[in-house]
Amino acid sequence: NIVLTQSPATLSVTPGESVSLSCRASQSISTSIHWYQQKSNESPRLLIKYASQSISGIPSRFSGSGSGTDFTLSINRVESEDFSIYYCQQSYSSLYTFGAGTKLELK
Amino acid sequence: EVQLQESGPGLVKPSQSLSLTCSVTGYSITSNYWGWIRKFPGNKMEWMGYISYSGSTSYNPSLKSRISITRDTSKNQFFLQLNSVTTEDTATYYCAKYGGYSPNWFAYWGQGTLVTVSS
Repeated sequence: NIVLTQSPATLSVTPGESVSLSCRASQSISTSIHWYQQKSNESPRLLIKYASQSISGIPSRFSGSGSGTDFTLSINRVESEDFSIYYCQQSYSSLYTFGAGTKLELK
Repeated sequence: EVQLQESGPGLVKPSQSLSLTCSVTGYSITSNYWGWIRKFPGNKMEWMGYISYSGSTSYNPSLKSRISITRDTSKNQFFLQLNSVTTEDTATYYCAKYGGYSPNWFAYWGQGTLVTVSS
C-alpha cells in the first residue's frame, strides 16, 4: 500500500494568513495526487487534481504543487469558509489511499 | 448536474450484512466509474471499491472477501453489500463518481450516510 502522511495534523491560523499543507507519499507517485476539502457535516469536495491542476469553480487562492513523494496544498490568504479538513488521495496505485487529513482551524 | 444519494439502514447488527444504495441523477452509470468510500470516526478515509461503466469491479483487498458492488442500470443505481460486519465497520459511507475517463479522482460525492454496527 502507498501510505500518505499529511502534516501538520492541525494548523491554527487567523484569516488572511497564507498556509501550506504537506502530503508525503511512501514511494514516488509522479503527480498522481488529488486534494479534497471537507467541511463539517458535508461531503468532500475536490480542490486540485494531479498535484497542480485546478478545478472549475474552486477559488484561485487554492493551489497545488509537487511531484514524486512531496506535495503541497497552498491557500493564499485564508478565508473564514476555509476552516475544514483537507485530505490528499493517490491514484498511482489502483489501491487508492487517503492521507489522515489536516484540520485547518481558527486561531 | 450530477447528483448522488446514499440510502440504507443506519443501524446494523454485528455479523449481519450492510446494504446501501446509491441513486444517481444527471449522469448514466453506464459511463465512467463509480465508487464507495467510507470515513471512520476519527476521520480516517478508506476506499472500498468501484464498479465500472461495463459492470466490472475492483475492491480493496482488505475487504475482498466481504464486499460486493453491483448495479441496476434500469434504475441508474449501484449498490454496496458488506458481509459479516463488526463494530469496526461503523462509519459514514459515501458513494462517488470518478472524474475523467479512468478511475483516478473523485469528482462528485453523495452526502454520506452514517452506518452504526451495534447489537
